[in-house]
Order: sequence, then C-alpha cells, then structure tokens
Amino acid sequence: GQNIDQPTEMTATEGAIVQINCTYQTSGFNGLFWYQQHAGEAPTFLSYNVLDGLEEKGRFSSFLSRSKGYSYLLLKELQMKDSASYLCAVRDNTDKLIFGTGTRLQVFP
Amino acid sequence: GAVVSQHPSRVICKSGTSVKIECRSLDFQATTMFWYRQFPKQSLMLMATSNEGSKATYEQGVEKDKFLINHASLTLSTLTVTSAHPEDSSFYICSASFPGSGSLNSGNTIYFGEGSWLTVV
Repeated sequence: GQNIDQPTEMTATEGAIVQINCTYQTSGFNGLFWYQQHAGEAPTFLSYNVLDGLEEKGRFSSFLSRSKGYSYLLLKELQMKDSASYLCAVRDNTDKLIFGTGTRLQVFP
Repeated sequence: GAVVSQHPSRVICKSGTSVKIECRSLDFQATTMFWYRQFPKQSLMLMATSNEGSKATYEQGVEKDKFLINHASLTLSTLTVTSAHPEDSSFYICSASFPGSGSLNSGNTIYFGEGSWLTVV
C-alpha cells in the first residue's frame, strides 16, 4: 500500500531553521513534492525532487534519497508567516499524487 | 491567475440533498483530473481519478455511487455528492496536471483548484 509519514506538529522560533522529515513507501515513484497550506486554502507548491540530492530555492530547500524513501524540507530564517501545514506528496507510477499526513508548523516570536 | 478553477468555493446544503462541485482547467486540456477531500487538521486524501470520456477510478473506501464524477469534456470535471449527510462536510479540492508534465523538471505543473467548502446541515 501507500504510506507517507511526517511528524504531526512542530514548533520553532522566528529566525531559526527547521527540518521537516518525510518517509514514504509507494507503488512506484515519479517525483516528490512539498506544499505549503494555510488553513482553508489550496496547497501552494514549494519544491520538487525526482533525483537524489538537495534542491535549494531561497529560504526553502528539499532533499531526497530514493534508496531510503526519505525526504526533508528545510526552512531557514523562519518568519511568522511560515506558520502553516507542510505537505509531502509522492507521485506514483500512475501519476496520482499521494499526500502524507502533513506537518503543522507553528513559528513563535 | 488561476490555472484550475473550482466552483462553488462554499456551499451549504440540507441533509439528503445533492450538491455539485465543478473543476475547470483554464487554457489547457486536462484528460485527467484528481479529486481530494480534506477534513479539518488532516491532510488531503485522494478520492478518485477523473478520466475524460471514461469512468472515474475510485480509491479504496470511496463510494462511487455517493460521489459521482463526470468528466464530460477536456476542461471540466464535476463531483456530485449525492444524498449528503453532515459527515460529508469537508473541504473538497481538485487538481490537474499541465500537459507535457512528464519531464524531470515538471514539479510545478500540478495545479490545484481553490477548493470547495461543503457544509451539510
């Protein structure tokens, strides 16, 4: 079956760095996505990894290890507006996007 | 602007009635669209894959007779919640992939609608 796990909740301080982990077991692999979602809104695309390694995009970076079924999203220089849910999602070999459990991040001043 | 448009954004219906939610791809043709449901404080759960011109494919545990999906054109998929009950109250959201998104650098080509809040009273 499909299984994508993330920590349920995390807290961090403004200006700090936080790493959100994601482990997955899916029917095939065609890319891993990270999304940010504020309550009641559609997810917003953050990053995409299909090859092993680190993808950096401003304050956000995402890492993938396909052999370990593992990814993380790294958020630097945290801001209050980064308080949101962060969703890890894997596109399987049928092009479905399967979402993880989601991580609610709360940033404190 | 929006690449995938969803309507209505909010709807309240009485228990036992049916409600239809539309998902449109703007300026591109989407042979496949996906429907998700999200309960409060939970992640997105894939309900079904909507295929243009053929029957939808439902995920395990999703009742196909209750959640009717029609993908009659290349730009429109509809989800109808039939005989709605309060437990069907949820956030429903659709997505579509921009054509040609099979390449390695195609991460940012899955587009979501704005989502629809359904409240059944």
